[in-house]
Amino acid sequence: AQSVTQLGSHVSVSEGALVLLRCNYSSSVPPYLFWYVQYPNQGLQLLLKYTTGATLVKGINGFEAEFKKSETSFHLTKPSAHMSDAAEYFCAVSGGTGFQKLVFGTGTRLLVSP
Amino acid sequence: GAGVSQSPSNKVTEKGKDVELRCDPISGHTALYWYRQSLGQGLEFLIYFQGNSAPDKSGLPSDRFSAERTGGSVSTLTIQRTQQEDSAVYLCASSPQGSDTQYFGPGTRLTVL
Repeated sequence: AQSVTQLGSHVSVSEGALVLLRCNYSSSVPPYLFWYVQYPNQGLQLLLKYTTGATLVKGINGFEAEFKKSETSFHLTKPSAHMSDAAEYFCAVSGGTGFQKLVFGTGTRLLVSP
Repeated sequence: GAGVSQSPSNKVTEKGKDVELRCDPISGHTALYWYRQSLGQGLEFLIYFQGNSAPDKSGLPSDRFSAERTGGSVSTLTIQRTQQEDSAVYLCASSPQGSDTQYFGPGTRLTVL
């Protein structure tokens, strides 16, 4: 069984500040981990993913995340927030390649103030 | 190229009516998934199709929900005798064979009055 916990339903930052969105997972198999972003009235867009190999993964729009097996975490970071980053972010886990359903966290809404 | 498309974008229906939601996956993608996004339950997996194999229906919440995929391409999610708790955004995603990445459509917002 797999599950994802995202701490904080809302995170507020100022423009230019560090963004940190937390994600912890539970998985009975080596996990594949994903971060998706959802802008208002739009579908989900893949930001980045970890499958195997390098534990620090870089994604679009300056985001990155680090897979830490010992902490069962996959936190999302960005050094400097931009107003356009305001959106809802979802962490998800699957069991690998092929036809694997995604198990999502409850999402974190990022608010960016000027 | 074209992404996943879904129609309609919004659907308002009365309790007890049947609804059909359509998904057009990315051309050539063999896997197709349906998810539901609701305030109370977050994002939940409903069903997936893998090529011509029998679908995995393990996420369907009740027997009022069904889905089919014709010709390995377009999929229709049908909800019979809709209830107010069915109100949600229904998201479709597709994936190429052997890939770990799912590509999502914009969703259909269903409101049951």
